Amino acid sequence: ETGVTQSPTHLIKTRGQQVTLRCSSQSGHNTVSWYQQALGQGPQFIFQYYREEENGRGNFPPRFSGLQFPNYSSELNVNALELDDSALYLCASSDQGGGFISEQYFGPGTRLTVT
Amino acid sequence: QQPVQSPQAVILREGEDAVINCSSSKALYSVHWYRQKHGEAPVFLMILLKGGEQKGHEKISASFNEKKQQSSLYLTASQLSYSGTYFCGTFAGNQFYFGTGTSLTVIP
Repeated sequence: ETGVTQSPTHLIKTRGQQVTLRCSSQSGHNTVSWYQQALGQGPQFIFQYYREEENGRGNFPPRFSGLQFPNYSSELNVNALELDDSALYLCASSDQGGGFISEQYFGPGTRLTVT
Repeated sequence: QQPVQSPQAVILREGEDAVINCSSSKALYSVHWYRQKHGEAPVFLMILLKGGEQKGHEKISASFNEKKQQSSLYLTASQLSYSGTYFCGTFAGNQFYFGTGTSLTVIP
């Protein structure tokens, strides 16, 4: 059974640029959630995708957008990067069919630095 | 709507027990517990559902009081590997909220 994978591991971008982060969910998992974790803080929910549609969204501006593909993998896109976007971005998959009634399995994360 | 955890930090000696509490201002339908070690991703420990169902690791126990909107995680006979930051998590309105976190350090 393959766990959750994310790419790239690290990324350095300049303010104003755009970035795409990728996540492959664990085998059999149909729901993907994305989180932002600033240094020393807990993860903050960005959004969740189920059946290729956004199924919930946290308090993040529209420049944070996502996609889910038929194989359940997912992308997080961030436009017009700001310095405060520097964080660890975590992807989590679950087999809960949307919602949060099953455990989430996290990928190793992508460390994004915006300069 | 972020759940509040207590204590914020705790230091234990190997073999000691600890209780971590999680309190929400909103009605709870489920409570998740995760542990995150420094530089690593959160790892699932337990989920407690309204109605009493629980899923999790055998060596971890937790309680869920729906009326008080509280949950507690019980760590017994702690081991060095238990060190890390513990987060509870709840959901409301299709959003997931991690708690404020509890840093737990187990020393020899």
